[in-house]
Amino acid sequence: DQQVKQNSPSLSVQEGRISILNCDYTNSMFDYFLWYKKYPAEGPTFLISISSIKDKNEDGRFTVFLNKSAKHLSLHIVPSQPGDSAVYFCAASGQSGGGADGLTFGKGTHLIIQP
Amino acid sequence: NAGVMQNPRHLVRRRGQEARLRCSPMKGHSHVYWYRQLPEEGLKFMVYLQKENIIDESGMPKERFSAEFPKEGPSILRIQQVVRGDSAAYFCASSLTGLDGYTFGSGTRLTVV
Repeated sequence: DQQVKQNSPSLSVQEGRISILNCDYTNSMFDYFLWYKKYPAEGPTFLISISSIKDKNEDGRFTVFLNKSAKHLSLHIVPSQPGDSAVYFCAASGQSGGGADGLTFGKGTHLIIQP
Repeated sequence: NAGVMQNPRHLVRRRGQEARLRCSPMKGHSHVYWYRQLPEEGLKFMVYLQKENIIDESGMPKERFSAEFPKEGPSILRIQQVVRGDSAAYFCASSLTGLDGYTFGSGTRLTVV
C-alpha cells in the first residue's frame, strides 16, 4: 500500500513556463513533507520542505503548497530551466526529524524541460 | 567536506555471494540512514543507525540483511547470499540531528547475476 503517491511518472514543460508536480498521501500521521531532486547516477538532493503547520513555503524559484484536508502537496517551479530536468521525489515523515522511521518516498516524477 | 561517500559505486555479485556496501557520513554527522531503490520505484527506508546503535531497522528484510555503524569507520550494509531480487540502488544518507540535514550519497548500484 503506497502511502505517498506521485501519479504522473513524467511531465514535459517548456522552458520559462511553470512546472507543477503533484503528490498525494494517505497517512494522516505525516506532518513533514519534502521534495528531492535526483539526476541519473546521483543521490537525491534536498530541495524544499514544509511542515504541516504551514500551507506554503517558498525558496527562490521553488514553492511547495500543502493542502492538509485534501492530503495533497505540490511543487511549483517558475520559471522552469533546462537544469531542472530530473526526477523529483516527494517524501513524507511522521516527525520533523524523520529519524525514527525514516522517510516515505513516492515513486517520482520525471520532469523534462523542453527548450 | 566531501559529503556522504558511498563505495563502491557499482558492485556485481553472483547469486549466493555476499555484498558489502560502505557509507562514510558527512563529517560530524552521527545519524545514518540506508534506503533501497528498486527499478521504477521510489526509495524505501531500510534502517536508521547512530554510532554503534541500530535505532530502527523496520524497513530491512529480516533475513540476510544486516547493518552496522561502528565507533570508528564507515557504516556497512551487508547482504548475505544475494539473490537477483537484491539488485537495486542502495543509498545512504547522513544527518547531524534530524531531517533538515539529511544528505544523500551517490549510491551503490548492486547487480546480482
